[in-house]
Amino acid sequence: SQTIHQWPATLVQPVGSPLSLECTVEGTSNPNLYWYRQAAGRGLQLLFYSVGIGQISSEVPQNLSASRPQDRQFILSSKKLLLSDSGFYLCAWSVQPTSADTQYFGPGTRLTVL
Amino acid sequence: KNEVEQSPQNLTAQEGEFITINCSYSVGISALHWLQQHPGGGIVSLFMLSSGKKKHGRLIATINIQEKHSSLHITASHPRDSAVYICAVGETSGSRLTFGEGTQLTVNP
Repeated sequence: SQTIHQWPATLVQPVGSPLSLECTVEGTSNPNLYWYRQAAGRGLQLLFYSVGIGQISSEVPQNLSASRPQDRQFILSSKKLLLSDSGFYLCAWSVQPTSADTQYFGPGTRLTVL
Repeated sequence: KNEVEQSPQNLTAQEGEFITINCSYSVGISALHWLQQHPGGGIVSLFMLSSGKKKHGRLIATINIQEKHSSLHITASHPRDSAVYICAVGETSGSRLTFGEGTQLTVNP
């Protein structure tokens, strides 16, 4: 069966520090991968999605970036965190690269930037 | 105005009550998703539908494409149903989902 992992589960970082969040999927190949952010009291917002290794689409311009170095690995990074980067970050995967396919979510990383 | 509007924002019910959560959207869609977010933050996909009605256990989801409206019903509600329920629509082109802000449901024993 397929599983999706995220780490760390929680993170407290100072403003200006770098960030690296990792997401891995097991039990499937060539998944479509997504990074979402949920700010406090707000809905989920798509940040990046990837249909294959090295293929990244950015939905929202900001100081975050994403990379997909391996088929089942998706990394969210920042060189310098802002206070506004605080939130709950969720990784998800789907079989088809379409919004008409079920997305399976990871457990999330709660990031607090101080 | 958000592309996806949910109502109510908060809902408190007594165990056993019939629950309805509504979702309205303004864009053309390929599918509508209902998700459940547990207190710890984890999200589970409940339904994906593009027409008609789907049922899974005590949960029923309906969609009216012409009226751009969907409802999620919970029959015989239970305290373990307490969670945030999120509606998301998939636009007709691409991979993007647009999410509502969620409905916080609390079911008291």
